[in-house]
Amino acid sequence: DGGITQSPKYLFRKEGQNVTLSCEQNLNHDAMYWYRQDPGQGLRLIYYSQIVNDFQKGDIAEGYSVSREKKESFPLTVTSAQKNPTAFYLCASTNGGSSYNEQFFGPGTRLTVL
Amino acid sequence: KQEVTQIPAALSVPEGENLVLNCSFTDSAIYNLQWFRQDPGKGLTSLLLIQSSQREQTSGRLNASLDKSSGRSTLYIAASQPGDSATYLCAVRALTGANSKLTFGKGITLSVRP
Repeated sequence: DGGITQSPKYLFRKEGQNVTLSCEQNLNHDAMYWYRQDPGQGLRLIYYSQIVNDFQKGDIAEGYSVSREKKESFPLTVTSAQKNPTAFYLCASTNGGSSYNEQFFGPGTRLTVL
Repeated sequence: KQEVTQIPAALSVPEGENLVLNCSFTDSAIYNLQWFRQDPGKGLTSLLLIQSSQREQTSGRLNASLDKSSGRSTLYIAASQPGDSATYLCAVRALTGANSKLTFGKGITLSVRP
């Protein structure tokens, strides 16, 4: 089955630690995205990548970093510089090469800072 | 800057009712508009995608319309069922391209009472 996988489903972090969230897709999509979702605030874009080895900051990139070394993978690192990292993190992808460029989402990772 | 608004934030209806969920956006220069469903603690599931040149899309009991000139979209749900209870989000894609970012509304949480 084609789709987007995110791991882990739940992640606990101590203050001062960096953690990396995994996102993998087997849809052969060019573009991938990371969003953060907080109660009452909707989805906010952290980073996105339209092609391998290239990525752009979204609206709330501070305290986060990404890499896009492979088309299938777009890991997100939450650094200790992110002051309030507790949130639900969603990864998504789009096939821009298709005329029907629908965005698909993974199941999400819930990060809690202890 | 594009802004997407969904009002009301929550809606409760009896089973069997036909209902309309509204979405408005401030910049009519969009590439497409997408409606999503999100169940608690889960990722987003794509419901319907409307390209900027289209006026509506249908899938089963769902019908989405788009009026770019007025900056509005509606999601019509026919004969609502308790299983339709979820949060419904709309998102617009910037005109800069198929892989450009989406701007999301905060969603409407729908509860369908048996």
